Amino acid sequence: DQQVKQNSPSLSVQEGRISILNCDYTNSMFDYFLWYKKYPAEGPTFLISISSIKDKNEDGRFTVFLNKSAKHLSLHIVPSQPGDSAVYFCAAAYNQGGKLIFGQGTELSVKP
Amino acid sequence: GAVVSQHPSRVICKSGTSVKIECRSLDFQATTMFWYRQFPKQSLMLMATSNEGSKATYEQGVEKDKFLINHASLTLSTLTVTSAHPEDSSFYICSAETADTSGRTDTQYFGPGTRLTVL
Repeated sequence: DQQVKQNSPSLSVQEGRISILNCDYTNSMFDYFLWYKKYPAEGPTFLISISSIKDKNEDGRFTVFLNKSAKHLSLHIVPSQPGDSAVYFCAAAYNQGGKLIFGQGTELSVKP
Repeated sequence: GAVVSQHPSRVICKSGTSVKIECRSLDFQATTMFWYRQFPKQSLMLMATSNEGSKATYEQGVEKDKFLINHASLTLSTLTVTSAHPEDSSFYICSAETADTSGRTDTQYFGPGTRLTVL
């Protein structure tokens, strides 16, 4: 049972445009959400997080939006850069500590 | 700060042998360490949660006698894959978690991963 789902396995975006990566979850008990970026044969790198008491968190080019009623979150990257090309995982947790439940990942390709 | 290392980065072994993977937090003390595995094109799946000085908590479906976890100190956790078989071939990733000065738990920081290939 996949509690965190990223339904788009891949996304291709032109440099300078906005990248929108989506993530859905099924468990309303999740309280904390994170986005990680991963290159092949490397561990994930933390990007940005959001608590369930918020609906938006912004850090530079990265913004995460949370829609609790729809159990949906999204990561916006603007402007997209070729160096952003990687696999992006969303993850959910029951609190700010503890185990993470990951989605399947979305491979983002930013073309020059 | 918050660097996590893993050793080895890549290992190839024969079926039936045991392999040990080390996970170290280099510049912080990790209250908790986690072990994940990732198959190609799939998500990271949590295998077990490890707290220093206590037994690891394994996720459902993960054999604790096959995947031995030892968390001997606040900076080192090891995963031993015992009697490895080709189906154990995977990418194993550890992460470490710490608390900030207010006691609030921090985000998990991941190691670079270990590619295990069992022939």
